[in-house]
Amino acid sequence: EVQLVESGGGLVKPGGSLRLSCAASGFTFNRAWMSWVRQTPGEGLEWVGRIKSNVDGETTDYAAPVKGRFTISREDSKNTLYLQMNSLEDEDTAVYYCTTDGGKWELREVGAFDTWGQGTKVTVSS
Amino acid sequence: DIQMTQSPSSLSASVGDRVTITCRASQPISNYLNWYQQKPGKGPKLLIYAASTLQSGVPSRFSGSGSGTDFTLTISSLQPEDFATYFCQQIYIAPPCSFGQGTKLAIK
Repeated sequence: EVQLVESGGGLVKPGGSLRLSCAASGFTFNRAWMSWVRQTPGEGLEWVGRIKSNVDGETTDYAAPVKGRFTISREDSKNTLYLQMNSLEDEDTAVYYCTTDGGKWELREVGAFDTWGQGTKVTVSS
Repeated sequence: DIQMTQSPSSLSASVGDRVTITCRASQPISNYLNWYQQKPGKGPKLLIYAASTLQSGVPSRFSGSGSGTDFTLTISSLQPEDFATYFCQQIYIAPPCSFGQGTKLAIK
């Protein structure tokens, strides 16, 4: 079964840091491009960033609101994706999902994500 | 960045109804448009990619159409399990990709 399981969410004060993890199973993780997407009740779904596969250089891209504060990394030996979040702001409060195209070229070509985790909630509040 | 506008933002319908949801892009995006279904407490589920290709395992009552700036998701005959929130997503100029604000489909 293809599965993504996020962990690491919680309550953190403004200016603080948090690291989210996403454990993957059921597909060839080292071929997959992995993304983080967050969701707030008011703003809907917002793409946070992406990391390409090792063979594609493990290049990362970030949304403007998080660039310079968030870092995406991966550990293919553990089939795990990470999101390091620093200098957290109230506006970062959201449910964070990891998602992927699973390495499927027909989905990657149109940026479609066919596997999502259940999400982990991050609350930034003093 | 490309903005995606869905309409309506919510609607109510009955089992068996035909329902259409619209997504409009702020500039042409060819067919780089995907549709997702989300139920409470769950991550989104991919329904349609490349505007009209049905994802494996998705019932054939779901269909997508459109190109350029205007796209539609149609459910031909609503089933009880279809009551959920639906999102469109574009990735024509990416990153970043962007999502519509969602359409909540409720039981009438």
